[in-house]
Amino acid sequence: GQNIDQPTEMTATEGAIVQINCTYQTSGFNGLFWYQQHAGEAPTFLSYNVLDGLEEKGRFSSFLSRSKGYSYLLLKELQMKDSASYLCAGMDSNYQLIWGAGTKLIIKP
Amino acid sequence: IAGITQAPTSQILAAGRRMTLRCTQDMRHNAMYWYRQDLGLGLRLIHYSNTAGTTGKGEVPDGYSVSRANTDDFPLTLASAVPSQTSVYFCASSAGGTDTGELFFGEGSRLTVL
Repeated sequence: GQNIDQPTEMTATEGAIVQINCTYQTSGFNGLFWYQQHAGEAPTFLSYNVLDGLEEKGRFSSFLSRSKGYSYLLLKELQMKDSASYLCAGMDSNYQLIWGAGTKLIIKP
Repeated sequence: IAGITQAPTSQILAAGRRMTLRCTQDMRHNAMYWYRQDLGLGLRLIHYSNTAGTTGKGEVPDGYSVSRANTDDFPLTLASAVPSQTSVYFCASSAGGTDTGELFFGEGSRLTVL
């Protein structure tokens, strides 16, 4: 079956670095996505990885290892506004997105 | 810039009633989607449309129907609502066909079925 696993909740301190992990099992693979969702709001796109390695975008970076079925989202210089849920989604061979349940990130001062 | 507009934002509905959630986009995107989001679960695809005039079933289509008469509108209808359809519903679109991953989401419609 197809499955996306990510931690339910994480806590980090303002100014610090946090890594949110995601493991995936999909029927075929056409990329791994990360979305951010603030409470009560719509998800918004953060990153897309289809090749192995690290993609950096400002304070956010996303990493992919296809051989391990593994990705992580790295958030640096954490700000209070980064408190949100982070959704990992894998795209299968039919170009359908399989979504994880999301990781709720709590930032403490 | 509106993007995707959903209506209503929130609705309480008696079981057995018919309900249509509206979704309109102004980005001229080809593909549109309806998801439901429930606590502790990932987004689950209900129905999708690759382009105007075509629709397809997602992971959880039972009890729901859609239509895509034109590019901009993609309404979701619950023919006879049941309490298990209590959820937050998100409409989304993407520029390409369903093989383009970057989705743009509406603000969601919170539906409670009593």
